[in-house]
Amino acid sequence: NAGVTQTPKFQVLKTGQSMTLQCAQDMNHNSMYWYRQDPGMGLRLIYYSASEGTTDKGEVPNGYNVSRLNKREFSLRLESAAPSQTSVYFCASSDQGALMPQHFGDGTRLSIL
Amino acid sequence: AQSVTQLDSHVSVSEGTPVLLRCNYSSSYSPSLFWYVQHPNKGLQLLLKYTSAATLVKGINGFEAEFKKSETSFHLTKPSAHMSDAAEYFCVVIAQGGSEKLVFGKGTKLTVNP
Repeated sequence: NAGVTQTPKFQVLKTGQSMTLQCAQDMNHNSMYWYRQDPGMGLRLIYYSASEGTTDKGEVPNGYNVSRLNKREFSLRLESAAPSQTSVYFCASSDQGALMPQHFGDGTRLSIL
Repeated sequence: AQSVTQLDSHVSVSEGTPVLLRCNYSSSYSPSLFWYVQHPNKGLQLLLKYTSAATLVKGINGFEAEFKKSETSFHLTKPSAHMSDAAEYFCVVIAQGGSEKLVFGKGTKLTVNP
C-alpha cells in the first residue's frame, strides 16, 4: 500500500549543483503537486500537474522545473541549487480537483550548502 | 484575497481532555476549507473538508470542524485527546470563484501530555 513515494529522503548539495527529486503514485490519480515546507511558513505550491501532459506554475516556481513523465510520475528539478532552496519538499496527488491534494509523500529533506 | 489565520502556534492538552484548534479565514468568495495533520517526519494527511454542504463536518480519527460564516471560523475539535493525536495541524482555504489558490495556515503544534 505505497501511496505516494518520494526519493531520495535526504540530500545535501553544494550551491550550483543540480538534482532531480522523484515522485511516484500508485493510486491512478490525475493531479500531482510539488510543495516546499519551511519553518513557520506552512506549505507553498511550487508546481502542479492537473493531468498527464500538463503542468502549471504555483506560488513559488522560480528556480525549479518539473516533468510529468506519465500518469504515475512527477519529478522536480533544481538546475542550479541555491541555499534559499534548502527546505523539505513534498509531493502529493489527488483525484478531487486540480488544487486539493489528498495524499502526500513523506518528504525529501534537502540542504544546500 | 483569501487568507487563513491559525490563532495558536502551540496547544498543549492532557490525554482524555478536549482538543480545540482555532482557525479563522478571510475570503471574498464562498470558501472551501480543510484541515490537514502532519505527524513528525511524515507528509500531510487530509483530516476533513468543508465544501458548502453541512456546516458540521466529521473527519477521521474522531475530529470534527464547524463552519461558522458569521464568525469566519473553522475550528477543529475532538472530544477526547489521544497520545497519537500529537502532531502539527494545518488549516487550509481554497476560494471558489477567485484564483482558486490553495492557502495554508502556518500550523498549530498539538502536544498531548500523559
